[in-house]
Amino acid sequence: DIVMTQSPDSLAVSLGERATINCKSSQSVLYSSNNKNYLGWYQQKPGQPPKLLIYWASTRESGVPDRFSGSGSGTDFTLTISSLQAEDVAVYYCQQYFGTPFTFGGGTNVEIK
Amino acid sequence: EVQLLESGGGLVQPGGSLRLSCVASGFTFGNYAMSWVRQAPGKGLEWVSVIRGSGDSTYYAGSVKGRFTISRDNSQNTLYLQMNSLRAEDTAVYYCAKDTGSTCYSPIDYWGQGTLVTVSS
Repeated sequence: DIVMTQSPDSLAVSLGERATINCKSSQSVLYSSNNKNYLGWYQQKPGQPPKLLIYWASTRESGVPDRFSGSGSGTDFTLTISSLQAEDVAVYYCQQYFGTPFTFGGGTNVEIK
Repeated sequence: EVQLLESGGGLVQPGGSLRLSCVASGFTFGNYAMSWVRQAPGKGLEWVSVIRGSGDSTYYAGSVKGRFTISRDNSQNTLYLQMNSLRAEDTAVYYCAKDTGSTCYSPIDYWGQGTLVTVSS
């Protein structure tokens, strides 16, 4: 199984400041035939189902604010919130869909400092 | 508007069975792979299973393989999860989810509200 390791577990950032979440996979999730990284990022607010933010490691889902961005390739990925807003308080998960089972990272809890 | 409505959750004794259903609307159901993802109380997300749009390919997490069966009825726009030999560690909110593609290797773009399964004596 591909193990997804997120860091940090929890993050407190001041409003308007940058938040950076890391995700590392135990093996590459880059498919050489199409040069796509099979990696997504999800946001989950309390009492709600997750919401897709980023897919193919760096493609923003429609309607997602442009302060959210994804980067990385192979085994190392980053989700960046460029200017944290109050509504961004949530738990963020990465997921690989390169190989079954499609594993999630453990989650990163983002709070306001 | 995409809607996914799960049902079938509840309290079941260890060793028992449940069948979850998910009725989908707002998209051409048979054109998309569908997944089940669960979340134990206060814990993170755990991927459970996925089925191809055509229904001819299925995959499972190791923790449920041999006990759970995913299926779909494209004529009824309905996804199922048959859960047998349930254990306390299967206690979770189970989410029905739509993938972005017809094959299984694509991200999830829509989630239901979830149905709670509690396994306890």
